Amino acid sequence: GENVEQHPSTLSVQEGDSAVIKCTYSDSASNYFPWYKQELGKRPQLIIDIRSNVGEKKDQRIAVTLNKTAKHFSLHITETQPEDSAVYFCAAGKRGSYGKLTFGQGTILTVHP
Amino acid sequence: GAGVSQSPRYKVAKRGQDVALRCDPISGHVSLFWYQQALGQGPEFLTYFQNEAQLDKSGLPSDRFFAERPEGSVSTLKIQRTQQEDSAVYLCASSTRTSENTGELFFGEGSRLTVL
Repeated sequence: GENVEQHPSTLSVQEGDSAVIKCTYSDSASNYFPWYKQELGKRPQLIIDIRSNVGEKKDQRIAVTLNKTAKHFSLHITETQPEDSAVYFCAAGKRGSYGKLTFGQGTILTVHP
Repeated sequence: GAGVSQSPRYKVAKRGQDVALRCDPISGHVSLFWYQQALGQGPEFLTYFQNEAQLDKSGLPSDRFFAERPEGSVSTLKIQRTQQEDSAVYLCASSTRTSENTGELFFGEGSRLTVL
């Protein structure tokens, strides 16, 4: 089955700096790569996703890049703010698997004011 | 409500007790998932329903875990004879997607189970 590895497990940055979180996946058939943000005690919420037919997607301060050949994808947050502090999870899914996602282990991002 | 609702939010059980966790998905969502999230880990897939049909239960860790969605709406995850290793947050998610593609999962806030 699919295996998703996520790094780093913790990331601490100063407000205004950029943050990058990286994930690798094992199943070459995976074609959908979402990122979820989970604040303490809250539900995971989708912040951005990318499908395998594109290499990059941006939404304001957040961007995701995908390298299908290397089977890795990354989340980039620019101009970080304290409210970006949360746990971020990457995930992978594939066509024909009814939307089932395999998640990474999570990255605790702390943005210091 | 507009979102996925789960109850109870917190459950403390003595080892050996049975527990039942409820999920009320977003109205009209065909797909429903249960995930288990251990402390400091990502969610791990347990089982999937498309309407009332349980199409995948490959992630259920043992035969003590049972899930149902009899009318294709509300779902219940039941754990029999709970063990300490069952302590985790149980997340329910629903989606409009079915078999052919993937899309956003809408999660509930989870049920935190602590087994003493």
